[in-house]
Amino acid sequence: GDSVTQMEGPVTLSEEAFLTINCTYTATGYPSLFWYVQYPGEGLQLLLKATKADDKGSNKGFEATYRKETTSFHLEKGSVQVSDSAVYFCALSPGSNDYKLSFGAGTTVTVRA
Amino acid sequence: EAGVAQSPRYKIIEKRQSVAFWCNPISGHATLYWYQQILGQGPKLLIQFQNNGVVDDSQLPKDRFSAERLKGVDSTLKIQPAKLEDSAVYLCASSFPGLPVNEKLFFGSGTQLSVL
Repeated sequence: GDSVTQMEGPVTLSEEAFLTINCTYTATGYPSLFWYVQYPGEGLQLLLKATKADDKGSNKGFEATYRKETTSFHLEKGSVQVSDSAVYFCALSPGSNDYKLSFGAGTTVTVRA
Repeated sequence: EAGVAQSPRYKIIEKRQSVAFWCNPISGHATLYWYQQILGQGPKLLIQFQNNGVVDDSQLPKDRFSAERLKGVDSTLKIQPAKLEDSAVYLCASSFPGLPVNEKLFFGSGTQLSVL
């Protein structure tokens, strides 16, 4: 079945450091890929998404590119802030009209001032 | 707009007891999902509703879990009897059907269940 594997945490960084969180997937067909973020005490929020190969999703300085050849969707940010401290989840849905998400285990990111 | 509402926020019960969670989706969102998030893991889909009908409950442990969505709005998820391994956060999410998947799926803040 469909699955997502993401880099284990926790990850601790200093402010303005570069962040990358690796995510690879296994799926049949043409899944859509997502990054969700969960800030402390809050619900899951969509951070960015990509629905087809070579698409780049971006939001709040974060970027991820849908790489079909490597089945990857790595999350990057060039300069993190303390406010980026959160748990990040990579996820996929099987198709373009289906929200049955399969999530990775999550990566906890802590940014120190 | 108001978000997805869930209650209670926290619940502590002993094993073999029963528990129920409630979810009120965003107004107009016909599709509703229940996810289970065990500590250290990503959320796992339990059940999907379209209006008041079940679309997918293949991962719902039906010997102890049940869910309903009367009138196609609010939903309840019940566990009876609870086991220790049911300790998790139960997330409700809703979306507007017919929109492409790159539209947002909205999550509630969840109910944290501890089974002692």
